[in-house]
Amino acid sequence: ETGVTQSPTHLIKTRGQQVTLRCSSQSGHNTVSWYQQALGQGPQFIFQYYREEENGRGNFPPRFSGLQFPNYSSELNVNALELDDSALYLCASSRITSGGAGELFFGEGSRLTVL
Amino acid sequence: GEDVEQSLFLSVREGDSSVINCTYTDSSSTYLYWYKQEPGAGLQLLTYIFSNMDMKQDQRLTVLLNKKDKHLSLRIADTQTGDSAIYFCAERGGSYIPTFGRGTSLIVHP
Repeated sequence: ETGVTQSPTHLIKTRGQQVTLRCSSQSGHNTVSWYQQALGQGPQFIFQYYREEENGRGNFPPRFSGLQFPNYSSELNVNALELDDSALYLCASSRITSGGAGELFFGEGSRLTVL
Repeated sequence: GEDVEQSLFLSVREGDSSVINCTYTDSSSTYLYWYKQEPGAGLQLLTYIFSNMDMKQDQRLTVLLNKKDKHLSLRIADTQTGDSAIYFCAERGGSYIPTFGRGTSLIVHP
C-alpha cells in the first residue's frame, strides 16, 4: 500500500508567479485535503475534495484553487504569488465513511519559498 | 468558529512521562486526534479518540478526554529522545475537516 506522495518537495518562485503542487493519494482513499503550514504554526485548512467535488474551503482567497482527478490524485494551484504564501503545503488523504474517524494521512509536504 | 489551543513547549528528561495538553472550543467535536511532526517532515497520525470515550491506551500512549471541560491530553510513558518532535492536537465535528492547534514542541533531554 503506497502512502501519500507530493511533488515537488522544494521550489522557489518569485512574487506574481503561479505554482502547481501535486499529490498522489493513498490507495483506497476518496478524499484529499490541502493545508498550509507557515513556520512555527499549525496546519491551516485550504480546501478538501471528495470524489472530485470541493467539499469545504477554509479562509483562503480564490487565487488558491484545486482539482481532484478520477484516480484521486490532486493539484493545488496558487496564482499571483505573494511573499506570505511561503510555507509548507501539506496534502492529506482520507477515506470518508459514515461514522468513521476519517483520519488524515499526510504527505511529506512541498516547501514553497516566494522571493 | 473552532479553536484549538496548546502550550508551545514541553521539556522532559529521558525516561520520564510527558503529558501534552490541548483545549478546544467546538462542543460538536466527534473525533480528536494527535499527530506528530518531525523536522522537515509531514504529520504522522499517532492516535485518535471518539468523543464518547474518555480514555484510550495504545502501547506507550494514553489519551484522556474530558468532554465537559473540552480538554484533551496525550501522555507518553518512558519518553525517549526519538520522541522529540512537534505534537499537534486536532478536532473535527461532522464536517470531516479537522482543525489543528499550533503544536507543542517536545524536547527530551538525557
